[in-house]
Amino acid sequence: ETGVTQSPTHLIKTRGQQVTLRCSSQSGHNTVSWYQQALGQGPQFIFQYYREEENGRGNFPPRFSGLQFPNYSSELNVNALELDDSALYLCASSLTPGVYEQYFGPGTRLTVT
Amino acid sequence: GENVEQHPSTLSVQEGDSAVIKCTYSDSASNYFPWYKQELGKGPQLIIDIRSNVGEKKDQRIAVTLNKTAKHFSLHITETQPEDSAVYFCAATSNRDDKIIFGKGTRLHILP
Repeated sequence: ETGVTQSPTHLIKTRGQQVTLRCSSQSGHNTVSWYQQALGQGPQFIFQYYREEENGRGNFPPRFSGLQFPNYSSELNVNALELDDSALYLCASSLTPGVYEQYFGPGTRLTVT
Repeated sequence: GENVEQHPSTLSVQEGDSAVIKCTYSDSASNYFPWYKQELGKGPQLIIDIRSNVGEKKDQRIAVTLNKTAKHFSLHITETQPEDSAVYFCAATSNRDDKIIFGKGTRLHILP
């Protein structure tokens, strides 16, 4: 059984640029959630994808968007990067919506300068 | 919306002693309460969880208790070991959506 994987591990971008982060869900899991974790804080829910559609969203602006592909992998896109977007971005997969156990990947550390 | 408060923010215990981390939640609709352990440079790892129809759950040295009336839940680690040193997060979610609301974390130090 393959766990949740994310790429890249680290990324440095300049304010105003755009970034794409990638996630492969755990084998057999069709639901992917994305979280932002600022330094010293708990993860904050960005959104969830199920069957290639957004299935719930947290308090993040529209410049945070996502995609899910037929193989259940997912992308998080952030446009017009701001300094406050610097954080660890975590992807979590779960068996299906309504099954609460979520398993996290190692995260992508994004630094915006 | 849901709000999860976690205490203490930092906890140091002697190896072999017990550690207790406490959380409160605000949304009475919350019915699933996971606990995650996060080591440096890694993603959160689910270590134990409890559902609202259960008051206590134990897995080896780890136990979690839930008081639905008071909206409190706690993590208990007995016979602590050096590898227990990490940041621990409590969280809550409801069947309204799958959004997990996390506490701010407790940094646990196990002293030799």
